[in-house]
Amino acid sequence: NAGVTQTPKFQVLKTGQSMTLQCAQDMNHEYMSWYRQDPGMGLRLIHYSVGAGITDQGEVPNGYNVSRSTTEDFPLRLLSAAPSQTSVYFCASSYNRANQPQHFGDGTRLSIL
Amino acid sequence: SQELEQSPQSLIVQEGKNLTINCTSSKTLYGLYWYKQKYGEGLIFLMMLQKGGEEKSHEKITAKLDEKKQQSSLHITASQPSHAGIYLCGADPNTDKLIFGTGTRLQVFP
Repeated sequence: NAGVTQTPKFQVLKTGQSMTLQCAQDMNHEYMSWYRQDPGMGLRLIHYSVGAGITDQGEVPNGYNVSRSTTEDFPLRLLSAAPSQTSVYFCASSYNRANQPQHFGDGTRLSIL
Repeated sequence: SQELEQSPQSLIVQEGKNLTINCTSSKTLYGLYWYKQKYGEGLIFLMMLQKGGEEKSHEKITAKLDEKKQQSSLHITASQPSHAGIYLCGADPNTDKLIFGTGTRLQVFP
């Protein structure tokens, strides 16, 4: 099994550009989530999903959109990139709830110029 | 909202030494999770604690949750270079949102 796969691993954008960070899992997990990791601030939840067709906001959702059309995929979209969105983004999944061990991808390192 | 505070922020120890990392919550924890992150990689699940007073061990790492379920400690015995990384505690505030502490960076030198 591949687990949680994130693409791309690195990306540089210009302010105002849009892009989609991809996240896919092959474990048939219902719960998926996106975090951003910034120095000194730990991981902060952006959006999460408890199943296909259901998404909800986390702690820092502004500037990001998500959708969950399938169980396997949970893409994160930046509509108009800003320098404040420079960060490392992690996708995670678990069987069906947040209160279960999370499986993390290796992250996407995003720089906004 | 619930917050998790970890201490220390960073730790440098000599190989073979014992060490402890603490995680304190502003509210009662319904579940406490410890993860380890190596540089450039994602987080790896270590242990989950749910009951007050619970203690779990895996190899040389022991995690405890206090009776009041507001504080947890992670203890590493006889540290090795392979223990180096960032340790993060995560908590379940009885919602569908998992929150994390700011992490403790551990370096182990020979």
